[in-house]
Amino acid sequence: LAKTTQPISMDSYEGQEVNITCSHNNIATNDYITWYQQFPSQGPRFIIQGYKTKVTNEVASLFIPADRKSSTLSLPRVSLSDTAVYYCLVGGDTGFQKLVFGTGTRLLVSP
Amino acid sequence: SAVISQKPSRDICQRGTSLTIQCQVDSQVTMMFWYRQQPGQSLTLIATANQGSEATYESGFVIDKFPISRPNLTFSTLTVSNMSPEDSSIYLCSVEIGGGYGYTFGSGTRLTVV
Repeated sequence: LAKTTQPISMDSYEGQEVNITCSHNNIATNDYITWYQQFPSQGPRFIIQGYKTKVTNEVASLFIPADRKSSTLSLPRVSLSDTAVYYCLVGGDTGFQKLVFGTGTRLLVSP
Repeated sequence: SAVISQKPSRDICQRGTSLTIQCQVDSQVTMMFWYRQQPGQSLTLIATANQGSEATYESGFVIDKFPISRPNLTFSTLTVSNMSPEDSSIYLCSVEIGGGYGYTFGSGTRLTVV
């Protein structure tokens, strides 16, 4: 399973766009990139998943360059409620993959 | 998507005792995963539970300490045995949703051992 590297923490203000980059130099051909969000006292929550180029949903966008050795989670116009830990994971989407969590990025959004 | 009910949500236990954590899923799933999250830390996989077979444990976790049951495709339990203060953590179960939606997690069990 590919190892991921993320910044330990990031600070932002309400209304700003936040970009969190994750490095995964050893990503395998069949690996997908998935991001999770975790609030205190809750389990992680799926945000977005992608394989290449760009994926967008109602919550975030995921940018993946052609070499797939990194990815960037983009949160548009963050609010205080986006304060959480964000985890980047890589692995196959072929079923029954155990998830290996890295350190995650602790995002603090201030007024 | 699958919904997981996990209980208890929290407990305070005496050292030397055992606690069983339950996870109920609202749909049938092949694999269930158990994680531990120590205070301020990331999640660490304890074991993978497949219905009808023994659980597969990760390095550093053993069946005598964390016995797991998986009696059917919607339910699993994790027991933390002979607890010590070092077992104080949040324990979470997880199942795969698939279809590009990753995995869903229970809300966790916050265990404090005194």
